[in-house]
Amino acid sequence: AQTVTQSQPEMSVQEAETVTLSCTYDTSENNYYLFWYKQPPSRQMILVIRQEAYKQQNATENRFSVNFQKAAKSFSLKISDSQLGDTAMYFCAFKAAGGTSYGKLTFGQGTILTVHP
Amino acid sequence: SQTIHQWPATLVQPVGSPLSLECTVEGTSNPNLYWYRQAAGRGLQLLFYSVGIGQISSEVPQNLSASRPQDRQFILSSKKLLLSDSGFYLCAWSVLRGTYEQYFGPGTRLTVT
Repeated sequence: AQTVTQSQPEMSVQEAETVTLSCTYDTSENNYYLFWYKQPPSRQMILVIRQEAYKQQNATENRFSVNFQKAAKSFSLKISDSQLGDTAMYFCAFKAAGGTSYGKLTFGQGTILTVHP
Repeated sequence: SQTIHQWPATLVQPVGSPLSLECTVEGTSNPNLYWYRQAAGRGLQLLFYSVGIGQISSEVPQNLSASRPQDRQFILSSKKLLLSDSGFYLCAWSVLRGTYEQYFGPGTRLTVT
């Protein structure tokens, strides 16, 4: 079974600064996918970024980028030029590749990020 | 484009009453469907998933059940609610292949009194 750990229950950052959220995972799988989801106060879960484990290049989506360290089983999210709208809970999630897991995701416990003006 | 709907958005029910939450997906065929519960604003607990009509898998034994009467319809039910059933319920869908990322509905806030 896979586990996903987010060791930072809460983080805060000043507007326009950069913040990094940590995520580690444990798996015996070699092929898998990793995701970061954002849940703002509205509680709508929004996909922020995805990473395929077989790709060495770190994924980037505008101000969001990841630092994927496969050997260390680490998948951190960097948010550059933080905006007030980035205030949310962020979840790291893991999905094993292959057909038997039926697309099930394993989520971390979340990190509450607050962006201060 | 695909959209996912959930209703109701908010529900207050007494202990012992029945429950029916509905989720529908538009713009895709034969999706995987999932029900999650989120308690106290923290992590998501997978309750049920479905890979096709009438095919339901339960992740956690509990007071709830799920059904999938149509390809893009997923229903969460209970015959008698418990106080511990209170929480935020999220429905999600994913494609059958590829990166499998899940897309979530807006959720239902359930309070059992």
